[in-house]
Amino acid sequence: DAGVTQSPTHLIKTRGQHVTLRCSPISGHKSVSWYQQVLGQGPQFIFQYYEKEERGRGNFPDRFSARQFPNYSSELNVNALLLGDSALYLCASSTTPSGGLQPQHFGDGTRLSIL
Amino acid sequence: KQEVTQIPAALSVPEGENLVLNCSFTDSAIYNLQWFRQDPGKGLTSLLLIQSSQREQTSGRLNASLDKSSGRSTLYIAASQPGDSATYLCAVVPSGSARQLTFGSGTQLTVLP
Repeated sequence: DAGVTQSPTHLIKTRGQHVTLRCSPISGHKSVSWYQQVLGQGPQFIFQYYEKEERGRGNFPDRFSARQFPNYSSELNVNALLLGDSALYLCASSTTPSGGLQPQHFGDGTRLSIL
Repeated sequence: KQEVTQIPAALSVPEGENLVLNCSFTDSAIYNLQWFRQDPGKGLTSLLLIQSSQREQTSGRLNASLDKSSGRSTLYIAASQPGDSATYLCAVVPSGSARQLTFGSGTQLTVLP
């Protein structure tokens, strides 16, 4: 079975632009979470979706938004990009919303660079 | 607010050594704790998950312990190999409705051949 897939793998944007990142969870996983990882730090939670509903939101500005589709894939959108948005964006999927016996499975991420 | 700390930030050991990585968290009200491995430029690979009611979990040469009351977890790696070189991250899921992972900054491990 395929793991969590994210696209694109790399992206270069300029300040003020908009970006859309995509994530396909493992088959059968209904929960998708997004994390931002700045170089040298641990990932920071952005959003969690379960069964197409937002279940959690981290401390990120309203420029960040997300949604989950009926097939459980997800998009992360970031508007008005800033230099500080440069990071590795990770998507994780699980059968349940982060709790229980099942670990979260992560994709390889999208490396976003803002010039 | 939950904070997770990992010490040391970097560790270099010769091949074959047994080693311990440390993780501490400020709020003992957790649902579970996970250890992950991250290779350069890659995503996270889940190594071990410990439920809040458990004391330890083992997988091959890895053993993770959890002392919830003192807010500490350790990851023990036996007979280290160069292929173990990576960044190791611990993360906790808090009890309650918010079930997102809160991560430490990681320990960068280098195993020298």
